[in-house]
Amino acid sequence: DVKVTQSSRYLVKRTGEKVFLECVQDMDHENMFWYRQDPGLGLRLIYFSYDVKMKEKGDIPEGYSVSREKKERFSLILESASTNQTSMYLCASSFEGARSHSGLPIYFGEGSWLTVV
Amino acid sequence: AQSVTQLGSHVSVSEGALVLLRCNYSSSVPPYLFWYVQYPNQGLQLLLKYTTGATLVKGINGFEAEFKKSETSFHLTKPSAHMSDAAEYFCAVSDQRTGRRALTFGSGTRLQVQP
Repeated sequence: DVKVTQSSRYLVKRTGEKVFLECVQDMDHENMFWYRQDPGLGLRLIYFSYDVKMKEKGDIPEGYSVSREKKERFSLILESASTNQTSMYLCASSFEGARSHSGLPIYFGEGSWLTVV
Repeated sequence: AQSVTQLGSHVSVSEGALVLLRCNYSSSVPPYLFWYVQYPNQGLQLLLKYTTGATLVKGINGFEAEFKKSETSFHLTKPSAHMSDAAEYFCAVSDQRTGRRALTFGSGTRLQVQP
């Protein structure tokens, strides 16, 4: 089974703090993603990475950055947390080779609930 | 850009009744389509997917979905709801035109199952 692990399930941070959300996958997947989930808005893509040190902006990258130094690890960074970044953050990964023949199922972690006060 | 519309943010059914969750997509090219389920305080789990071939797709837990190109729809159904089906369900598409690796998700439908 694919395992995507988010290191922190629940965090409370203060406005202006730098926040790191860590994600590790154990299936040697090329692609990794960070989504944000808010009620009534579904999941929105923040950033994704298709290789080590490679990244692309998603639909809502403002206020966020990412780091992928190793294939299995993808970190989301909030440089200066704000209250409007209070949300559930979901990390996901997928196998690049799956795109061409079976679609692109992506596998999710359990999520990280971030509250910024 | 791709978009996904899920009609009805909340659906309530009785145990044993038919479940129908609606999903419509916008795309100039038939996309790959997915349904995910999210149980409370958990991540998303893949229910089923459509890529090519047979338009009726069967998934886990007795769910199925039918791809209708003419209606740009991919509705999720289950003949008989079970209490354990109570969860939030998300429809998602991949953009085959651009080859974008990420999925675009709908806003979700919360399914409530009444005893």
